[in-house]
Amino acid sequence: AQSVAQPEDQVNVAEGNPLTVKCTYSVSGNPYLFWYVQYPNRGLQFLLKYITGDNLVKGSYGFEAEFNKSQTSFHLKKPSALVSDSALYFCAVRDTLDQTGANNLFFGTGTRLTVIP
Amino acid sequence: GAVVSQHPSWVICKSGTSVKIECRSLDFQATTMFWYRQFPKQSLMLMATSNEGSKATYEQGVEKDKFLINHASLTLSTLTVTSAHPEDSSFYICSASMLNSYEQYFGPGTRLTVT
Repeated sequence: AQSVAQPEDQVNVAEGNPLTVKCTYSVSGNPYLFWYVQYPNRGLQFLLKYITGDNLVKGSYGFEAEFNKSQTSFHLKKPSALVSDSALYFCAVRDTLDQTGANNLFFGTGTRLTVIP
Repeated sequence: GAVVSQHPSWVICKSGTSVKIECRSLDFQATTMFWYRQFPKQSLMLMATSNEGSKATYEQGVEKDKFLINHASLTLSTLTVTSAHPEDSSFYICSASMLNSYEQYFGPGTRLTVT
């Protein structure tokens, strides 16, 4: 079975400060990990992914995430937050051993990021 | 590249009527399409997975006779909400995946309001 946990429903950070949005996962095999951002009344926009290789992944809009296998985490980070980063962020995982469905992604419950001017 | 569109972006319908939502992959062939439902302030819930030319696979608890999915071509999938009720009001998001790809490309979503 596979699952994703985003332990924080809400994260507030001051503009210019570093931000972290947490994600932990559980899979049977190796994970494919994704971060998406959603603005109000919009679909999901892809930020970054980890498939293999370097544990530190750099993505769109200055975001990055670090894959930590021992802690089964894939936290999203940005060195300096912008007000325009305020949105809903979803972590998602696909288990490479999952043969039950084609490319099924399992999503976390989402974290609402608010960047305070 | 890898753009997915949805139409309409929002729709209001009366209780008891049916409404069709289209999901199109604009610049690639989508062998698999996914339909999600999202309630306010909640995560995406996978409703069904469809492969081109095959019947859709529905997640547990999703009524296949109520949510009709057709994936007739490699660029188009449709979701029809039949005999809609106010509790069907939600944000419906589709995504598309290419053959042998682990990535999903998401559409902008369709907000359905049933009055």
